Amino acid sequence: AQSVTQLDSHVSVSEGTPVLLRCNYSSSYSPSLFWYVQHPNKGLQLLLKYTSAATLVKGINGFEAEFKKSETSFHLTKPSAHMSDAAEYFCVVTSSGGYQKVTFGIGTKLQVIP
Amino acid sequence: DGGITQSPKYLFRKEGQNVTLSCEQNLNHDAMYWYRQDPGQGLRLIYYSQIVNDFQKGDIAEGYSVSREKKESFPLTVTSAQKNPTAFYLCASSIGGGFNTEAFFGQGTRLTVV
Repeated sequence: AQSVTQLDSHVSVSEGTPVLLRCNYSSSYSPSLFWYVQHPNKGLQLLLKYTSAATLVKGINGFEAEFKKSETSFHLTKPSAHMSDAAEYFCVVTSSGGYQKVTFGIGTKLQVIP
Repeated sequence: DGGITQSPKYLFRKEGQNVTLSCEQNLNHDAMYWYRQDPGQGLRLIYYSQIVNDFQKGDIAEGYSVSREKKESFPLTVTSAQKNPTAFYLCASSIGGGFNTEAFFGQGTRLTVV
């Protein structure tokens, strides 16, 4: 079975402090992992993706994530939060097999306090 | 500019009526998808299509129908059989039928049944 768990439904940080959004996954196959961001009433935008290349993945807007197979984790980080980072973030896992194996996490809402 | 366009952004429907949500893409993508988003539940797959004139049910297809007569277009009809249609609907597309490549999302349609 394949699943993804976003460990926090809400995260609140002060502007200028680090961001950590946690994601754990399980998959019977070699997974691909993605982080998407959604601003209110908008579609989803890809932040970054891991597809079996380098385990440390850099994305847009200063975000990065590290794939840790031993911990089955793919946590999203950013050194310094900006007000514009306030949004909802989704972790997504897919298998290398086909479309059917796509699973979205339930999302983490990031609040940035001025 | 290439992209994926959903219309309308907001839609109101009376109970018992069918309504069709539009999704158009000019990215030359083969695969297109419809998701439903409800608070605290992430995204759930309604239907997907990997090529023209072919589509498959996702996890929550009951009460919905789709067509894929053209590569660029993948309209979703919410029928009166859908018991709880009020939600945010997202359309997406990707290059291939698999999901290991980036998916591009539209801006969404918020459907409210009154």
